[in-house]
Amino acid sequence: AQSVTQLGSHVSVSEGALVLLRCNYSSSVPPYLFWYVQYPNQGLQLLLKYTSAATLVKGINGFEAEFKKSETSFHLTKPSAHMSDAAEYFCAVTRPSGSARQLTFGSGTQLTVLP
Amino acid sequence: DVKVTQSSRYLVKRTGEKVFLECVQDMDHENMFWYRQDPGLGLRLIYFSYDVKMKEKGDIPEGYSVSREKKERFSLILESASTNQTSMYLCASTGAGTYEQYFGPGTRLTVT
Repeated sequence: AQSVTQLGSHVSVSEGALVLLRCNYSSSVPPYLFWYVQYPNQGLQLLLKYTSAATLVKGINGFEAEFKKSETSFHLTKPSAHMSDAAEYFCAVTRPSGSARQLTFGSGTQLTVLP
Repeated sequence: DVKVTQSSRYLVKRTGEKVFLECVQDMDHENMFWYRQDPGLGLRLIYFSYDVKMKEKGDIPEGYSVSREKKERFSLILESASTNQTSMYLCASTGAGTYEQYFGPGTRLTVT
């Protein structure tokens, strides 16, 4: 079965510091992987996605993620944190195809940016 | 831009009431999903629909039902609300052949 593990339910960084949010997946088939962001009292917004093309994926707001098959990882990074990056981040992996294309989500990582 | 709207942002209901949560998407998407979001548990799939009048159970369907009479609208029904159904409910949609899901703003339901 497909699953996603996000290491660290809460991460704090200082403004201007590197952001690193960890995601490891398990999948019986080559996966597609996604990172979503959720700002307070809002729905989820797609940050970036890996769909078997380039392993280094760039997304919105300066975020990027690297797909590493050997490590079954898809960690999210941003070189310099901004106060506006404070939000909850979710990693997701595709499930094997069924009657609809489904995603399995991780439990989320709350990012706090300190001034 | 894809737009997914949900009928209420906040809802307070009493135990035993029948509750309807409505979701509408404007991109002619085939697939629609209902999730509940709880702290530390991420998003859990309740039900999804891949066509009008077609539905399948997700991971936690107990206590819920759904209806999809029109392609753009997907309703989640709590037949008899209970306090353990207090949660944030998120609706999402996606087109045929794609995985990228578009989310609505969510409905925070409190059952007292």
